Parts: sequence; C-alpha cells; structure tokens
Amino acid sequence: NAGVTQTPKFRVLKTGQSMTLLCAQDMNHEYMYWYRQDPGMGLRLIHYSVGEGTTAKGEVPDGYNVSRLKKQNFLLGLESAAPSQTSVYFCASSQPQGRYTGELFFGEGSRLTVL
Amino acid sequence: DAKTTQPPSMDCAEGRAANLPCNHSTISGNEYVYWYRQIHSQGPQYIIHGLKNNETNEMASLIITEDRKSSTLILPHATLRDTAVYYCIVRVKNYGGSQGNLIFGKGTKLSVKP
Repeated sequence: NAGVTQTPKFRVLKTGQSMTLLCAQDMNHEYMYWYRQDPGMGLRLIHYSVGEGTTAKGEVPDGYNVSRLKKQNFLLGLESAAPSQTSVYFCASSQPQGRYTGELFFGEGSRLTVL
Repeated sequence: DAKTTQPPSMDCAEGRAANLPCNHSTISGNEYVYWYRQIHSQGPQYIIHGLKNNETNEMASLIITEDRKSSTLILPHATLRDTAVYYCIVRVKNYGGSQGNLIFGKGTKLSVKP
C-alpha cells in the first residue's frame, strides 16, 4: 500500500516548456487535489476532482490544466511553464467527509523549477 | 470558510506538553476544526479534527472552547520528531464538491528542544 505517489519528484524546465505531473493513489479515494506551496507559505489549492472524469478549479488555477481519466490518477499539466510556477507541488486524496473523517492523504511533493 | 489565526512560532521542551492555540472567531456552526502538520517540506499529515466536543487520538488532543471561537491542539509529550509546522484549518462539512478546499495559512512553527 503505497498511498499517494507523485512523479517526478524533481524537474527543471525552461520558460515555455510543457510538462505533466502524475499523481497516483491506491486507496480507492474519490477525491483528489493538487496544491502548490511557495517558500514560507501555506498550501494553495490549484485544482481538485470529486470523481473520475470530473475536475474543478481551486484558488490558483491559472496556467494549469488537470485530468482525471482514471479514478486512481490525477494529472497536473503546465502547457507553457513560467518562472512564477516554480514551486513545490503536492497531490492529495481523500474520501468524502461524512462516513469518513475527510482527512487528506498527501504525497511527498514534486519540486519544480522554471528557469 | 472561516479564517484562522495562529502564532507564527513556539518552542517546547522535549517531554513536555505542547499546547498550540488557534483562533477562529468567525467559525460557523457547520464548520469543523482540522489540524495538520508538515515536517520539513514533506507532505502535510492529518492529526485530528473536531466539531464542538473535545477529541483525542493516538497523536494528540483537541480542545475546542464552548463558543467554538478558539481551540488548542495538545501534544502531551512532545518529542524532537514533533518539530514541524502545525496548521489549524476550519472547513465546512459536506460543502459539496469543495469540501476538500482546505485553506492552509502559514501555521505555527513548533520547535521541540532537548
């Protein structure tokens, strides 16, 4: 049981390049999320998904796209990377609050640098 | 979701109880209080949550005041491994698809010292 796995863990991009971050969870969770964390700051929600085939915008969605074609995977794409997107990206998953605690399980993070 | 206020940093001696305060004076009746912690740039880790009753689990205790405007996370016997940033978050219960929209502030950096 690996929990939430993010790939890659480190990446350096040049401005304008594109890339995709992959998040995979093996807990059969309904909900998945992408956050970013800048130095000295808390986490900010980029996009989230409440089920396979559905996505929604969070606090800071501009410049990112997401897809959830399979329940266990949530992809975060940068179509044209900018230096402002240099950050640490965290993926998380959870079950809906109600019958469950609603706690989020986080991956270890992906460190992205855009030059 | 209501905002929270936490002190930016706190120190605690190893083996002593760490009491981390959180103010959430604008909390509404259907909002839960959640606590997470983040150890040195790892992914945040869930600690505990509650609505109005005090809660305890294997990691910590959560004390919520009767008016629910503030709470305290208690680590009963802090160890060096408890050094982390602790986030207090309020979240609406079953807020449709956005119930996962946890708003992380800057948290409290707890330093446990030998």
